[in-house]
Amino acid sequence: ILNVEQSPQSLHVQEGDSTNFTCSFPSSNFYALHWYRWETAKSPEALFVMTLNGDEKKKGRISATLNTKEGYSYLYIKGSQPEDSATYLCAFYSGAGSYQLTFGKGTKLSVIP
Amino acid sequence: DGGITQSPKYLFRKEGQNVTLSCEQNLNHDAMYWYRQDPGQGLRLIYYSQIVNDFQKGDIAEGYSVSREKKESFPLTVTSAQKNPTAFYLCASSTGAGVGYTFGSGTRLTVV
Repeated sequence: ILNVEQSPQSLHVQEGDSTNFTCSFPSSNFYALHWYRWETAKSPEALFVMTLNGDEKKKGRISATLNTKEGYSYLYIKGSQPEDSATYLCAFYSGAGSYQLTFGKGTKLSVIP
Repeated sequence: DGGITQSPKYLFRKEGQNVTLSCEQNLNHDAMYWYRQDPGQGLRLIYYSQIVNDFQKGDIAEGYSVSREKKESFPLTVTSAQKNPTAFYLCASSTGAGVGYTFGSGTRLTVV
């Protein structure tokens, strides 16, 4: 079973602060890295699917970078807002003949107004 | 609007009873998945199906069964052989390999 680690497990930030968290994954057999946002009582929502080393993706105030050689991805949130409060999941896809994603345990972000 | 519907949202069953969780999608996605979440754990794959009439075991398939008779539907049966069935169950679908998933809203199963 592949190991996908996310840190920190949880964090609290003040409204307006910028923040970032990490996803670590196996650097071998890499095909894609996914980020999802999961708000309480809602379905997880896809944020990014990243495939190329050095790739950077952006969606509003949220951006993500990818380093496949060292096996990590950062998710950044600029100027956090209370509506950013959610659990952020990353998931690794090895492309090894199946469609299976391996998920990390998530980072729970709470933005304090 | 297209999406995935899981029902029911909450389900209570007595120990020893089989129970079936529903997952329906109208996105025309070929692939469907069942994940389980326990406190402090990441999502773990139970079963997945890449195409109608075909499905594969995930990492924790013991005590579960699935069917994929229609593209739109991927029901999960939690059997009495599953030792710790109380959990949150998420269904997802995708157009293919490595692309983003669309998730349902989940079913919380409690076995008493």
